[in-house]
Amino acid sequence: ETGVTQTPRHLVMGMTNKKSLKCEQHLGHNAMYWYKQSAKKPLELMFVYSLEERVENNSVPSRFSPECPNSSHLFLHLHTLQPEDSALYLCASSQGRGKITEAFFGQGTRLTVV
Amino acid sequence: EDQVTQSPEALRLQEGESSSLNCSYTVSGLRGLFWYRQDPGKGPEFLFTLYSAGEEKEKERLKATLTKKESFLHITAPKPEDSATYLCAVQPSGTYKYIFGTGTRLKVLA
Repeated sequence: ETGVTQTPRHLVMGMTNKKSLKCEQHLGHNAMYWYKQSAKKPLELMFVYSLEERVENNSVPSRFSPECPNSSHLFLHLHTLQPEDSALYLCASSQGRGKITEAFFGQGTRLTVV
Repeated sequence: EDQVTQSPEALRLQEGESSSLNCSYTVSGLRGLFWYRQDPGKGPEFLFTLYSAGEEKEKERLKATLTKKESFLHITAPKPEDSATYLCAVQPSGTYKYIFGTGTRLKVLA
């Protein structure tokens, strides 16, 4: 398997459920990201994990909780979500402070909150 | 504030009709400017990285250029399979963040 892999591809959850999104990168990168993509809006950075630091967007609600156990794996734990949280959630990775700067994305998880 | 603006929002072209997409940016120091292609329901696919004004990159029918304030993605003789949303992003110096525009939805008609 190469690149960035996200599971599941589709998720439907109720507002009282707890679920997790998983991301794995096979590129040897040092930084991993969660982005949210909603219709008609630019990709919104939620969290960044790198070897040096964790960065988070202060506007992300606490019902989203990231976990990065190592440089290859990233999780997004979801609990008590709202219908407006329905979106495409994208994971990405990059070399971080390396010479090659572009980020590579997974296929995304389409989340629907009912 | 770091910002990326893309235009037009949507573009319809006949097959073979060349055009350009615009990405205007303001950033406090540019580490890189990136172009991605995104098909419906999929993640963005990396196309190009540009680092400094005057730089150009080409791939098949696509050519990306960069100035100090904007970037263009030129599409020469497009085909229906070039239909997608094209995203522009910048990475400010000293950060890990990528700041995206809202994209240009391109439709190429046969």
